Amino acid sequence: GENVEQHPSTLSVQEGDSAVIKCTYSDSASNYFPWYKQELGKRPQLIIDIRSNVGEKKDQRIAVTLNKTAKHFSLHITETQPEDSAVYFCAASMTAGNKLTFGGGTRVLVKP
Amino acid sequence: DAGVTQSPTHLIKTRGQHVTLRCSPISGHKSVSWYQQVLGQGPQFIFQYYEKEERGRGNFPDRFSARQFPNYSSELNVNALLLGDSALYLCASSVRGNGPYEQYFGPGTRLTVT
Repeated sequence: GENVEQHPSTLSVQEGDSAVIKCTYSDSASNYFPWYKQELGKRPQLIIDIRSNVGEKKDQRIAVTLNKTAKHFSLHITETQPEDSAVYFCAASMTAGNKLTFGGGTRVLVKP
Repeated sequence: DAGVTQSPTHLIKTRGQHVTLRCSPISGHKSVSWYQQVLGQGPQFIFQYYEKEERGRGNFPDRFSARQFPNYSSELNVNALLLGDSALYLCASSVRGNGPYEQYFGPGTRLTVT
């Protein structure tokens, strides 16, 4: 089955700096790669996703890149703000509606 | 709020007991998936149901079972609870069990087994 590895496990950045989280996956049949943000005690919230027919996608301060050949994808957050502090999870699946395989999570702390 | 709802919010059970968790999907969504999130880890897929049929099962023991009702709500049942079953149980709904429709998570049920 699919296996998703996520790095780093923790990330501390100064407010205004950029944060980058990287994930690798094992199953070449995966075509959908979402990113979820989970604040303490809350539900995972979809913040951005990318499908295999696209190499990059951007939404304001957040961008994702995908390299299907190398089987890795990354989340980039620019101009970080204290409210970006949370745990971020990457995931992979065949399609958006299929079962998601999650990475282990990255705890991001943005220091004012 | 027309999002995914789950009940109860919190639950404390004793080892060996049985538990039932409930999920109501977003209106119009016909697929429900269940995930287990142990503290400090990513969610792990347990089951997916679409149109009342099981469409996928993760690597969980037979103590875990689920079903989906005609109104697309779902129940997750866990028998003979173990301490290791303590976790946040998340339900996610989607329009369909496959295809380009994203999954949206409910707030979860936090289960503590003592």
